[in-house]
Amino acid sequence: AQTVTQSQPEMSVQEAETVTLSCTYDTSESDYYLFWYKQPPSRQMILVIRQEAYKQQNATENRFSVNFQKAAKSFSLKISDSQLGDAAMYFCAYRSAYGGATNKLIFGTGTLLAVQP
Amino acid sequence: DTGVSQNPRHKITKRGQNVTFRCDPISEHNRLYWYRQTLGQGPEFLTYFQNEAQLEKSRLLSDRFSAERPKGSFSTLEIQRTEQGDSAMYLCASSLLQGGFTEAFFGQGTRLTVV
Repeated sequence: AQTVTQSQPEMSVQEAETVTLSCTYDTSESDYYLFWYKQPPSRQMILVIRQEAYKQQNATENRFSVNFQKAAKSFSLKISDSQLGDAAMYFCAYRSAYGGATNKLIFGTGTLLAVQP
Repeated sequence: DTGVSQNPRHKITKRGQNVTFRCDPISEHNRLYWYRQTLGQGPEFLTYFQNEAQLEKSRLLSDRFSAERPKGSFSTLEIQRTEQGDSAMYLCASSLLQGGFTEAFFGQGTRLTVV
C-alpha cells in the first residue's frame, strides 16, 4: 500500500520570503503522480502543482516549484516570494497512474503554513 | 457550471440519527469520489463511482455508510445511526475519465458534528 508522510505539522514564513514544505512517500509502483494541494480555511481544496513520476524535470507553476527525488521518494514544495494569500493547509498527495485504477488520492497529514506580514 | 457543489455545508445531528449528504459534480465528470477528513488529518478515501457504478469502497466505509449515484449524476452519502466518531468533514471530488491526466476538483465539503 502507498503511504504519504508530511513531518512538518506547521510552518511559518515572512511575507516575500521563501519556504519549503517536505513530503516523503512510499510505493512499489513505477508510474504515478504526486501533487501538492492547498486548502484555505473554509474553502475547497485546490491543486497547486503536480509531478509525473516519469519526468525527471521538476515541475514549476509561477512561484511554486517542487524538488522531486524519485530514488529517495521525496517530494518537497518550494514557495517563493510568499504572499499573505498563501496561508493555508498544504497537503501532499499520491495517485497511481496505472490504467484501470480508481485514481484515488492518498494524502499526507498536511502542513499548516502561516505567512507573517 | 461553477464547480463541485456539496450540501449541506454544515450538519449537526444527535447520536443515533441518520444523515444524508449530497454532492453535485461538475456536469461532464463521470468520476466521483468521497473522502473523509478528520481534524488534523488529511482526507481519506471512502468510495469511488464511475458513472453510476460504485467500483471501489474503502474499509473505512462501514455498513452504516451507503453511497449512491443514480443515473451517474449527483451522489448521496448516507450515514445511519451516527456515532461521535463520524464527526468529520466529508469531501466530494469529481474528474473526467479520459486518456492522460485529468484533474480532480473538490467541493467545499460537508462538516458533520455528532453530539
